[in-house]
Amino acid sequence: DSGVTQTPKHLITATGQRVTLRCSPRSGDLSVYWYQQSLDQGLQFLIQYYNGEERAKGNILERFSAQQFPDLHSELNLSSLELGDSALYFCASSATSGDDNNEQFFGPGTRLTVL
Amino acid sequence: AQKVTQAQTEISVVEKEDVTLDCVYETRDTTYYLFWYKQPPSGELVFLIRRNSFDEQNEISGRYSWNFQKSTSSFNFTITASQVVDSAVYFCALSEARAGNMLTFGGGTRLMVKP
Repeated sequence: DSGVTQTPKHLITATGQRVTLRCSPRSGDLSVYWYQQSLDQGLQFLIQYYNGEERAKGNILERFSAQQFPDLHSELNLSSLELGDSALYFCASSATSGDDNNEQFFGPGTRLTVL
Repeated sequence: AQKVTQAQTEISVVEKEDVTLDCVYETRDTTYYLFWYKQPPSGELVFLIRRNSFDEQNEISGRYSWNFQKSTSSFNFTITASQVVDSAVYFCALSEARAGNMLTFGGGTRLMVKP
């Protein structure tokens, strides 16, 4: 158990809908990262937040957004969902801002299925 | 741009055999970090090791060992006396100091250890 929690574990929805994925980092960790794992794209970095501020952005679609709250939990919002958004979404956390490229600890993931 | 290649998509061995998983990376940065993660059938990503670009010492942890060679841009992972519980997908990843802590993952190698 990494100490990172993600809810829900599974999510099934329809095209065009909007969903919110939730992540709680390990106790004391200030950075939260979101990754998408799909069959065709593999594991891809989406976005990082550090202590409430956006820190780095990867291949995140404009239909997707994220935020980190004062209690350090984070939410990833996916809107206007398409079939191709079906994937496993991971949240990870690390102790610092990432300037020392320290290891990230991953949550169990949320499996999103768009029908 | 950074890139990680795991040329072996799938490896099958019999229990107690040694197996090496290859990882080749590309980066223009002189300071970078390399990681290995394990993804068992349950789906979570488990951190195994982190190395920085200035430390080429090989590392051994129990049955696991890692060989980092800057000259060939490789960071290979060997499992000695493999066990059925080692069956998983293994990912090699890279982060560049200048790019923050975002991880670039290879495509993964699925290891199947048969009894």
